This record gives sequence, C-alpha cells and structure tokens, in this order.
Amino acid sequence: KAGVTQTPRYLIKTRGQQVTLSCSPISGHRSVSWYQQTPGQGLQFLFEYFSETQRNKGNFPGRFSGRQFSNSRSEMNVSTLELGDSALYLCASSLTRGVGEQYFGPGTRLTVT
Amino acid sequence: QQQVKQSPQSLIVQKGGISIINCAYENTAFDYFPWYQQFPGKGPALLIAIRPDVSEKKEGRFTISFNKSAKQFSLHIMDSQPGDSATYFCAASKGNAGNMLTFGGGTRLMVKP
Repeated sequence: KAGVTQTPRYLIKTRGQQVTLSCSPISGHRSVSWYQQTPGQGLQFLFEYFSETQRNKGNFPGRFSGRQFSNSRSEMNVSTLELGDSALYLCASSLTRGVGEQYFGPGTRLTVT
Repeated sequence: QQQVKQSPQSLIVQKGGISIINCAYENTAFDYFPWYQQFPGKGPALLIAIRPDVSEKKEGRFTISFNKSAKQFSLHIMDSQPGDSATYFCAASKGNAGNMLTFGGGTRLMVKP
C-alpha cells in the first residue's frame, strides 16, 4: 500500500504571496492532519480534517487554512506569507478519528524569502 | 504551554548500548502515547505506541515503559545500532480530541560504531 504523498516537496515563495500544499493520504484513510515543523517550535499541530470537515485546529493565525475533498485528499493554504512561515509542513493520515496510529508523509519544505 | 516535555535533547550511545529517552506529560486526559523516529529529510515514522492500560510494550529492540502515576513514559532502544541514529519524538493525544498529537521537543540520538 502506498504511503502518504505530499506535493510539492520543496517550495520557495516571497513574503506576501500565498501557497497551497497538497496531501494524499494512505488509501482507505479518512483522517488527515497537518503539522508544522521548525527548529525553534518543533512539531506543532495545525488542523485535522475528517469527512471533509475541519475537526480540530491548532493555535495558528487565520492565514492558515485547509480543506479536504471527498476522496480524502487534503490541501492547506497559507496566505500573506511571512518569513516565519518557513518550515517543513507535514501531513499525517489515519484510518479514522481517535484510533491513534497516524502515518506521516515526507513533508513539503517551504522557504519564504 | 508545553504539555509534553522530552529529555535529553541529545544523546550519544556506543553501538550495542541501551538508549533511553524520557517524556513527561501534564494532561491526564491523554490516552495514547506514540514514539516517532525521524531521519533527515524524511517525515516522522511511527515506531511504537502505548495506551495507559499497560505499563510496558516491547517490539523488537524497542520498549516503551509507562508510569501513569508519575505521568511519565520512556523509550528504550536495546542493542543500539548506528542505523538508529535519528531524531526521536514522543507524543500524546486524547481520544476525544481526534488525532491531534502533542509532541515533545525531540531527542537527537547518535550511536557511535
């Protein structure tokens, strides 16, 4: 079974621009969560989607948003990029909610200049 | 507010030795405690996980010890190998919060040949 895939793998953007990242979960998995990883703040939860609905949201500004499609694929969007948004954005998929096991993709490395 | 504290930040172990990483949590509602292994340029990979109804879980060379009263859990890597050199993260989640994981700060493990 294929793992979690994320596209693109690397991205360079300029301050003020917006970006959209994509995640395809493991086949059959219906829950997708997003995390931000930085050297300073570590791994931080952004949001979780299940059945096309946002179920949980972390402590991030409204510039960070996401959505999930009927095939469970998910996208996250960051508008008005700031230098501090430079990070590895990780997507994790799980069979359903509350079962525990989550499997991460390789991440998208976003650099904001 | 850091709800999961991980120590040490870095660890050097000789090949064949035992690597021990500790985590402490604050929220007694947490009911799922996974450990992830991350290599440079990769996403975190689920290593082993435990729930509070057991005090120990072993999978191959990896063992989780869980102390509910002390609100602590630890990862033991027996017969550590150079290939185990990676960053390890503990995490915690609570079932009624879906799949939101709260991560520890990470431990960079180096196993010397």
